[in-house]
Amino acid sequence: GAGVSQSPRYKVAKRGQDVALRCDPISGHVSLFWYQQALGQGPEFLTYFQNEAQLDKSGLPSDRFFAERPEGSVSTLKIQRTQQEDSAVYLCASRLIGTRISTDTQYFGPGTRLTVL
Amino acid sequence: GQQLNQSPQSMFIQEGEDVSMNCTSSSIFNTWLWYKQDPGEGPVLLIALYKAGELTSNGRLTAQFGITRKDSFLNISASIPSDVGIYFCAGTMTTDSWGKLQFGAGTQVVVTP
Repeated sequence: GAGVSQSPRYKVAKRGQDVALRCDPISGHVSLFWYQQALGQGPEFLTYFQNEAQLDKSGLPSDRFFAERPEGSVSTLKIQRTQQEDSAVYLCASRLIGTRISTDTQYFGPGTRLTVL
Repeated sequence: GQQLNQSPQSMFIQEGEDVSMNCTSSSIFNTWLWYKQDPGEGPVLLIALYKAGELTSNGRLTAQFGITRKDSFLNISASIPSDVGIYFCAGTMTTDSWGKLQFGAGTQVVVTP
C-alpha cells in the first residue's frame, strides 16, 4: 500500500501478557518512529530507527518495552508483562530522510489501540 | 508530559464560523507543525512552518510560526462539517535530534450545522 500500515488495529491483553505490535512503513523510508498516545492526549515519542539502527530510545517508559527493525523496513514494538497503564494507542510514523536535523514530513499509520485488562 | 500548551481544549462552533487555536512553549522550537486526527486514524499533516515569523496558508487554513519561536497559531476560516476532529500542534526542539516530534494535548473541534 501507499501509506504506513499497522497491525493489529486493536489488541486486548490480560495484565501480565506479552504483546507485539507491527509497523509497515512506506517503502524506502529510512526513518521510523514509535509514539504512544494516551486517551485525550497528544502522541509522545517512544523510539527512533534509522534503517535498522535504533538511534534514540529515550522515550521508552520502562525496560518492558522493546522495539526492533532488523532489516530496516518492518518494525515491531514489544511490550512484556503488560500493565494497565500501558493501555494506549501506539502510533508508528515513517519519514523518507534520516538526517539528524531532518524536518521532512512524518507520515503516521492508523495506530494500534492496546487495552490491558 | 506534553511540552506544548495548546488551547483551547475544545471548541463548539457553527458552520461558517472561523476557528482559532494556539500553542505555546517555554522552549524554542525549530519547526512548528499542525496535524488533524480523525477517530481511529493517525495524525495527518496540515501545515508545516520552518522559519520564525512565517505565515503559511493551505486552503482555508492559515498558520504562523511565532517570532520568539515559542508559539504558533492555526486559523480555520468558514468552517464546514468535515473540519470536525482533533487538531494537534507539534514541533521539533532545538535540543532534539532526528526530528522527533513534541505534541500538544489537542483541540477538539465540533461543528454544528
